[in-house]
Amino acid sequence: NAGVTQTPKFRILKIGQSMTLQCTQDMNHNYMYWYRQDPGMGLKLIYYSVGAGITDKGEVPNGYNVSRSTTEDFPLRLELAAPSQTSVYFCASSFLLDGFYGYTFGSGTRLTVV
Amino acid sequence: ELKVEQNPLFLSMQEGKNYTIYCNYSTTSDRLYWYRQDPGKSLESLFVLLSNGAVKQEGRLMASLDTKARLSTLHITAAVHDLSATYFCAVDLTSGTYKYIFGTGTRLKVLA
Repeated sequence: NAGVTQTPKFRILKIGQSMTLQCTQDMNHNYMYWYRQDPGMGLKLIYYSVGAGITDKGEVPNGYNVSRSTTEDFPLRLELAAPSQTSVYFCASSFLLDGFYGYTFGSGTRLTVV
Repeated sequence: ELKVEQNPLFLSMQEGKNYTIYCNYSTTSDRLYWYRQDPGKSLESLFVLLSNGAVKQEGRLMASLDTKARLSTLHITAAVHDLSATYFCAVDLTSGTYKYIFGTGTRLKVLA
């Protein structure tokens, strides 16, 4: 049971480049989330999804886009990378009825924009 | 706007000592979560507190929730070096939506 898998683990982007952070879960969780964690800080919610085809904004959505075409996958797209997007990105999932037990987090993607 | 504040932000303590980390939040919520993060690692779920007065214990850690005071505590008993990590509390943005707002974290260092 792999849980939540994120790729890549590390990436360096130049300003203005685009990339997609991949997130896949194999637990049949209906809720999925993207958070970013800046150095020494807590996590900020970027986007979340309550099921395939349904997404909504979190606290800090600007500069990002998401899609949820399947239950398993929830990719995060950066269209025009900016230095302010340098951060560690975590994907997480939870099951609606099982959400009381907290999230399952992926291992994170460390992104640097130069 | 929901705010989740933790204190202290940094905590250095000797092995064998006791201490409490506090988590205050600014809106009504009856669900609060505690997570642990080791340096460079992902977050690990520690406790889920689902109602007023809830108390959970695991080893040297005990968490409690007072929804009326909008306060949760994470108590450390007889600290050991292995407890060194950053501890986050998290609260639902809106009850039942499972969108967490995280506190800024408490970086704990236990000195031998």
